[in-house]
Amino acid sequence: KNEVEQSPQNLTAQEGEFITINCSYSVGISALHWLQQHPGGGIVSLFMLSSGKKKHGRLIATINIQEKHSSLHITASHPRDSAVYICAVRRVDGSQGNLIFGKGTKLSVKP
Amino acid sequence: KAGVTQTPRYLIKTRGQQVTLSCSPISGHRSVSWYQQTPGQGLQFLFEYFSETQRNKGNFPGRFSGRQFSNSRSEMNVSTLELGDSALYLCASSSQGNYGYTFGSGTRLTVV
Repeated sequence: KNEVEQSPQNLTAQEGEFITINCSYSVGISALHWLQQHPGGGIVSLFMLSSGKKKHGRLIATINIQEKHSSLHITASHPRDSAVYICAVRRVDGSQGNLIFGKGTKLSVKP
Repeated sequence: KAGVTQTPRYLIKTRGQQVTLSCSPISGHRSVSWYQQTPGQGLQFLFEYFSETQRNKGNFPGRFSGRQFSNSRSEMNVSTLELGDSALYLCASSSQGNYGYTFGSGTRLTVV
């Protein structure tokens, strides 16, 4: 079983819709990252969370440490939001590398 | 300020050859980490360097190695290339290694 699970794997939305991507993890973590990867490969770090909630523009990320769960929300989605969104966690003991990644959620926003 | 620079962007190598990839971090960032991304395995951690010392290593064979120089630039080397080494190799830098990461655009390696 993967230590970081994301859902859904694929998501198609109409422009303007509210989108939620979920991430569950099974290890103790010191931080959780949400990353965005566009076709071509470049990765942009969207958020780093260790507790609570963060907001940046139309993006909101939340984390529940007790439930080992995080969500990424996109309000008023736009075709330029189409990308793969990846959840990554840093284990609290730093073992087995610095980041463990989910498989990603491929989002497609239709105009 | 300039972002994380990876060179080259694309590379084609033959099985059995070796390859060296380069990563220049954001000025002032002392931590550089490397990742391999393949369609089958997704993103996997390779290694992390901080102030010229390897601080962490992922589960990859010894053919994968790296180093970091005094100016924080890092290189990774893959020897005796195999077809399965074809991947996008990404590096990321951070100021401490425990905080936010800035990723480079990656080097796409194709082994034929």
